[in-house]
Amino acid sequence: DSGVTQTPKHLITATGQRVTLRCSPRSGDLSVYWYQQSLDQGLQFLIQYYNGEERAKGNILERFSAQQFPDLHSELNLSSLELGDSALYFCASSADRGSYGYTFGSGTRLTVV
Amino acid sequence: SQKIEQNSEALNIQEGKTATLTCNYTNYSPAYLQWYRQDPGRGPVFLLLIRENEKEKRKERLKVTFDTTLKQSLFHITASQPADSATYLCAPPVGRGSTLGRLYFGRGTQLTVWP
Repeated sequence: DSGVTQTPKHLITATGQRVTLRCSPRSGDLSVYWYQQSLDQGLQFLIQYYNGEERAKGNILERFSAQQFPDLHSELNLSSLELGDSALYFCASSADRGSYGYTFGSGTRLTVV
Repeated sequence: SQKIEQNSEALNIQEGKTATLTCNYTNYSPAYLQWYRQDPGRGPVFLLLIRENEKEKRKERLKVTFDTTLKQSLFHITASQPADSATYLCAPPVGRGSTLGRLYFGRGTQLTVWP
């Protein structure tokens, strides 16, 4: 157990639907990062939150949104899902800017059918 | 724009040998580099961090070097074992100083250690 909890582990949904992925960071970590990893692809950065505020944004689609709550857990919302959104979605957390390493969760495997 | 390249997508070596993975970067000078291990379907696991003022860092059978002149980091696994088979990712941060930000992950090198 890395200390970062992601739920659900697996999600199968139809095109056009909306899903919410949840992440609880490691205790004490203020930063949360979301990454997407498609089959045989690298980790694509989506968005970062620090202590409840958006810190950085990657190539996140407009159909996707995220937030970090006062208790520091974060949610990634994916809407109007397309087949190409099928991927592993990872959440990571770090203390401050991450210069001591990121701790990743086990991921949510999303399959859009 | 900054660019990260890791050597050949796949590296196959025999058990007991030393595996050497290369990470090259261009167009910027990261304050540090991190290395991660990722197994199929799992999240990456942090292994080592080396800062720009450090030439070498070791942890058990792992060794990382950082050459800011060559703009290259080398990751070595000595006495490799089949259990070391995984994808290894090089990850420097975006920006530096006051603009230091999130990590950028390269595509990784898939290491296979055969008996």
